[in-house]
Amino acid sequence: AQSVTQPDIHITVSEGASLELRCNYSYGATPYLFWYVQSPGQGLQLLLKYFSGDTLVQGIKGFEAEFKRSQSSFNLRKPSVHWSDAAEYFCAVGPYSGNTPLVFGKGTRLSVIA
Amino acid sequence: NAGVTQTPKFQVLKTGQSMTLQCAQDMNHNSMYWYRQDPGMGLRLIYYSASEGTTDKGEVPNGYNVSRLNKREFSLRLESAAPSQTSVYFCASSDGGLIKNQPQHFGDGTRLSIL
Repeated sequence: AQSVTQPDIHITVSEGASLELRCNYSYGATPYLFWYVQSPGQGLQLLLKYFSGDTLVQGIKGFEAEFKRSQSSFNLRKPSVHWSDAAEYFCAVGPYSGNTPLVFGKGTRLSVIA
Repeated sequence: NAGVTQTPKFQVLKTGQSMTLQCAQDMNHNSMYWYRQDPGMGLRLIYYSASEGTTDKGEVPNGYNVSRLNKREFSLRLESAAPSQTSVYFCASSDGGLIKNQPQHFGDGTRLSIL
């Protein structure tokens, strides 16, 4: 069965520092991969997605993610974090085909300090 | 551009009461979903509807029922609310059906407390 692991429950970074959030997936074929962000009291907003092609994908708000098949990873990065990036981040995976919904990781909460 | 609209935003129920959570999307999406979000548990799928007229169970369907009223609307019903159903409920929709795995668009959630 497909699964998503986000190893870090909570990360704290200083404003202006770089950020990397980890995501590992388990699936037998090439997956569709997504990163979502949830601000406090809000729903989830799509940051970026990977379907095929270039393994480095750019998203909104200055985020990027790199798909590494050999490591079954899809880590989210940002070169310089802003205080407004404090939120919860979810990685999700979907199958290439088949009648199954996305599977979400449990999320990583990001705190940003001055 | 409303996207996915959930009503109500907040609700407090007593154990044993029933309630229907409403969800409507204006993006002409085929697929709709109901999730619950609990601390440390991430998002768990309750039910989904791949297309109008179909519904399927997700990971945690017990205690819930759903109705895909039409292409726009997908409601979630708690027949006899229990404290364990205290949670934040999210509705989502996506285009193209499950096979194409298009991104899901989320509503802002319904915060439900069962006393």
